[in-house]
Amino acid sequence: AQKVTQAQTEISVVEKEDVTLDCVYETRDTTYYLFWYKQPPSGELVFLIRRNSFDEQNEISGRYSWNFQKSTSSFNFTITASQVVDSAVYFCALSDKNFGNEKLTFGTGTRLTIIP
Amino acid sequence: DTGVSQDPRHKITKRGQNVTFRCDPISEHNRLYWYRQTLGQGPEFLTYFQNEAQLEKSRLLSNRFSAERPKGSFSTLEIQRTEQGDSAMYLCASSLAGIRDTQYFGPGTRLTVL
Repeated sequence: AQKVTQAQTEISVVEKEDVTLDCVYETRDTTYYLFWYKQPPSGELVFLIRRNSFDEQNEISGRYSWNFQKSTSSFNFTITASQVVDSAVYFCALSDKNFGNEKLTFGTGTRLTIIP
Repeated sequence: DTGVSQDPRHKITKRGQNVTFRCDPISEHNRLYWYRQTLGQGPEFLTYFQNEAQLEKSRLLSNRFSAERPKGSFSTLEIQRTEQGDSAMYLCASSLAGIRDTQYFGPGTRLTVL
């Protein structure tokens, strides 16, 4: 069975601080995909990044960066110089490659609050 | 490019009533997914279509739930004889099957069963 654990339920930081959101996953698949989504107060899940299991390169996109470590089954997300607009619930998710269906298994989310 | 749309955005109903939700995917997307999200939890997979074929259903989807995608475009999710435990956000996502298959989500329908 697939599982995603986001141990941090809530994090608060002061604006401009850096913050890292942790994600640990479990899967028996050798091919899988990992995702991060942002859910602002409006409720709509916004896609941030997709990573496949064969690509362990870290990725940076503006103030966002992702650290994928297969050895520890982790896919952590760092926001540099946080801003109030980053306040949201962030979900890590894992795809199920069974029969080619990529249904997502989500973690329970981390609520991030940026204090102005 | 128009995103995924869902209708209605909010629905309040009394226990025992039937409700139906609609999802319109991104136009060229052939895959469509339904998820349910309860307060403080991540979304949970309910069912999935590729074109008009329903290919997988979660065991979370009791026999009171039915989903259709009759022409491979929009989809409907019906809940019969609603129960208070059905209160949740119902999310729809769509994707284009392929090597870079990524699900894009709609705004959701929030269901409250009184």
